[in-house]
Amino acid sequence: GQQVMQIPQYQHVQEGEDFTTYCNSSTTLSNIQWYKQRPGGHPVFLIQLVKSGEVKKQKRLTFQFGEAKKNSSLHITATQTTDVGTYFCAGRSGSARQLTFGSGTQLTVLP
Amino acid sequence: EPEVTQTPSHQVTQMGQEVILRCVPISNHLYFYWYRQILGQKVEFLVSFYNNEISEKSEIFDDQFSVERPDGSNFTLKIRSTKLEDSAMYFCASTWGQINSPLHFGNGTRLTVT
Repeated sequence: GQQVMQIPQYQHVQEGEDFTTYCNSSTTLSNIQWYKQRPGGHPVFLIQLVKSGEVKKQKRLTFQFGEAKKNSSLHITATQTTDVGTYFCAGRSGSARQLTFGSGTQLTVLP
Repeated sequence: EPEVTQTPSHQVTQMGQEVILRCVPISNHLYFYWYRQILGQKVEFLVSFYNNEISEKSEIFDDQFSVERPDGSNFTLKIRSTKLEDSAMYFCASTWGQINSPLHFGNGTRLTVT
């Protein structure tokens, strides 16, 4: 079945440093979504990418979808303590409705 | 902003007992989902539900699991005979329709099987 891996599993950064998490799928994705889960919370939708090579920005967050639509990345510029949480990518293959979540990257921002 | 609500927030049960987890999806949403997350691990798909029937299910969703929409608002997940390994956070989610729609998750029910 489809597998979605993320690296790194954990990342500790000083406030103000940049952060990147990478997502890789074993199959070509029709689209990819990113979610953020705060400690003790539930996943909250951040963004969706659909097109090959697509890049989207949300303030300090930059999302990229690979040309082959099998990988994606999330980059945060100048992290803040409010960025703390686990970031999950989640992808769909073909016409499947189910989202397969990646393993997540847990971000800790040290003040 | 409308939200998905789940009850109870925490359920403790003994191994072998039946549990029912309840969810009220966002009112105009048409597709409903159950996901689970074992502590510290990734979010795993269990089942999707549309038009009063299961549309997709994962290998995790075996005969011990069932879902139901008993009325116009509730969406339930039943585990018939709980096992220790069923201990996890169970998230309900809903989307309004289009296949690319983002999932709106509830706050989850933490199930502890002792």
